[in-house]
Amino acid sequence: GESVGLHLPTLSVQEGDNSIINCAYSNSASDYFIWYKQESGKGPQFIIDIRSNMDKRQGQRVTVLLNKTVKHLSLQIAATQPGDSAVYFCAEGKAAGNKLTFGGGTRVLVKP
Amino acid sequence: EPEVTQTPSHQVTQMGQEVILRCVPISNHLYFYWYRQILGQKVEFLVSFYNNEISEKSEIFDDQFSVERPDGSNFTLKIRSTKLEDSAMYFCASSEGEGREAFFGQGTRLTVV
Repeated sequence: GESVGLHLPTLSVQEGDNSIINCAYSNSASDYFIWYKQESGKGPQFIIDIRSNMDKRQGQRVTVLLNKTVKHLSLQIAATQPGDSAVYFCAEGKAAGNKLTFGGGTRVLVKP
Repeated sequence: EPEVTQTPSHQVTQMGQEVILRCVPISNHLYFYWYRQILGQKVEFLVSFYNNEISEKSEIFDDQFSVERPDGSNFTLKIRSTKLEDSAMYFCASSEGEGREAFFGQGTRLTVV
């Protein structure tokens, strides 16, 4: 599951610091949004989702914020750990059909 | 923890040959999907499958592609006559229902030579 690419934006963060990953989505009619984490050689791993009628949702060490006005989604990771190093994708979907449309991804590098 | 499993992990095939990629979705899931990821690019939707039929497909999923659920556990993607540009990671995913998160397998790396 490599998503290595010369054009992937990269976020370098110090271990222990908070990370914020941003995503602009395109379809104002999307019903839900998901953040996936993809480590080298693996498939996308579900992190957290948020419905379009919400603006914030918290999980374990992660928070997703949704701003429908500007079609912006963010993922906040608290106290970033080395195991958080991966490529993070946002995806948008509609309840009918279940097709997911993925964004381009952001690589997070955690420095010890 | 239940997971989606895919076989093989890596498949090398000659251009023009047929390939079948195999997946075992999570057992109580009802919706199944294939996505692909060309190296360096984003994950792209190919097809979704529910109740033994295709519910949605993308422009990529042309007549060279087909999907099948041959029994109660397997879900397959067939590419009839592979092209060089079919080289990619192919991910199978499944979800419990509409609007529910999709869980992905580890992928099959297809290399067409």
